[in-house]
Amino acid sequence: GESVGLHLPTLSVQEGDNSIINCAYSNSASDYFIWYKQESGKGPQFIIDIRSNMDKRQGQRVTVLLNKTVKHLSLQIAATQPGDSAVYFCAERGSGGNTPLVFGKGTRLSVIA
Amino acid sequence: DGGITQSPKYLFRKEGQNVTLSCEQNLNHDAMYWYRQDPGQGLRLIYYSQIVNDFQKGDIAEGYSVSREKKESFPLTVTSAQKNPTAFYLCASRQDRGGNQPQHFGDGTRLSIL
Repeated sequence: GESVGLHLPTLSVQEGDNSIINCAYSNSASDYFIWYKQESGKGPQFIIDIRSNMDKRQGQRVTVLLNKTVKHLSLQIAATQPGDSAVYFCAERGSGGNTPLVFGKGTRLSVIA
Repeated sequence: DGGITQSPKYLFRKEGQNVTLSCEQNLNHDAMYWYRQDPGQGLRLIYYSQIVNDFQKGDIAEGYSVSREKKESFPLTVTSAQKNPTAFYLCASRQDRGGNQPQHFGDGTRLSIL
């Protein structure tokens, strides 16, 4: 199997419960943030993004919250399903449209059926 | 079907050998990126290109080289100077219009040493 994420923090959640995955970012000048989901053996898949002029954005079953005061980003997944099991990464981009993304180390979400 | 295609999925390198990883996108994206992923770590940027015939070093460029002769292609060469090449390599692209667009990723190439 994949060896990606051997030593990642892990969040175990019961199926049907809500999940909250947290991320602390480093650059107070970052103006754009993204959450990605990575399943074993695949590339990261875009989930949701948020600009720094917002503090909340909702998608289908997911919500991203941004707290710029403490440089904290969270991803909330409602009614977690077995298919949500994966590694989740946050990414930030420093100010300026062409600055590459900087990725966090990731959190493994394990859904217990 | 639009997307990013990385090949091969698995690649083995012998000592002293250069190997090239392919990345092709048909999304008409301007910017392309190469990342390396190791166990327990996030993605680390190797090289990126915002336009054809131009590219910049990322955080861990030593031992790697790239070219961007065509908009849709951004191959990565892992040279013999890269002493620890075993990793999962991810290519990404983004429509670079100066706004806020996410990067889209291929499904990676796993490189191992023989």
